[in-house]
Amino acid sequence: DAKTTQPNSMESNEEEPVHLPCNHSTISGTDYIHWYRQLPSQGPEYVIHGLTSNVNNRMASLAIAEDRKSSTLILHRATLRDAAVYYCILLPYNQGGKLIFGQGTELSVKP
Amino acid sequence: EPEVTQTPSHQVTQMGQEVILRCVPISNHLYFYWYRQILGQKVEFLVSFYNNEISEKSEIFDDQFSVERPDGSNFTLKIRSTKLEDSAMYFCASSDSLGQIQETQYFGPGTRLLVL
Repeated sequence: DAKTTQPNSMESNEEEPVHLPCNHSTISGTDYIHWYRQLPSQGPEYVIHGLTSNVNNRMASLAIAEDRKSSTLILHRATLRDAAVYYCILLPYNQGGKLIFGQGTELSVKP
Repeated sequence: EPEVTQTPSHQVTQMGQEVILRCVPISNHLYFYWYRQILGQKVEFLVSFYNNEISEKSEIFDDQFSVERPDGSNFTLKIRSTKLEDSAMYFCASSDSLGQIQETQYFGPGTRLLVL
């Protein structure tokens, strides 16, 4: 299973942008980059995914490096509700939906 | 918005007892999963299920575990003889595609299992 590396924790101030990095230097050509988050005492929640191009949705943006060896999840204006553990996961296109969670980045948001 | 539901929210059982954890996936989804999370540890994949059979299972999912879709709406995880180390939060998830571009898994709120 392809491996990702994320910082253990990050801090942000409310209403400021947050950039959550993820390294995946061994990514293969068919791996999609998925981000999930887990709010306290809840199940994981899908955030965004992409393959090569940058992606935007109502929750966040995903910036993918040109060589695909790293990506950054961008929360444009952090709110207190965004405090969660964020997981960067590689999902091979042809190997089913098994999600392999790492330790993720615990994001705390200060008022 | 449709959501995955799980019952019970909490379950306490004695070691050696059987437990059944229940999930109602999103109604038009075809792919179902169980994950678990031991307190303070990462989320771990247990099993995936499609077309009434197991698609993939992890090393954790041994003979003590089984899954079933007994009717058109429920998806269950059974642990035949619980051990202390089975204490964890168990999450059910469902998706409407497998290995496709739009793959997104929707997770339930979890069942916290405590084995005494």
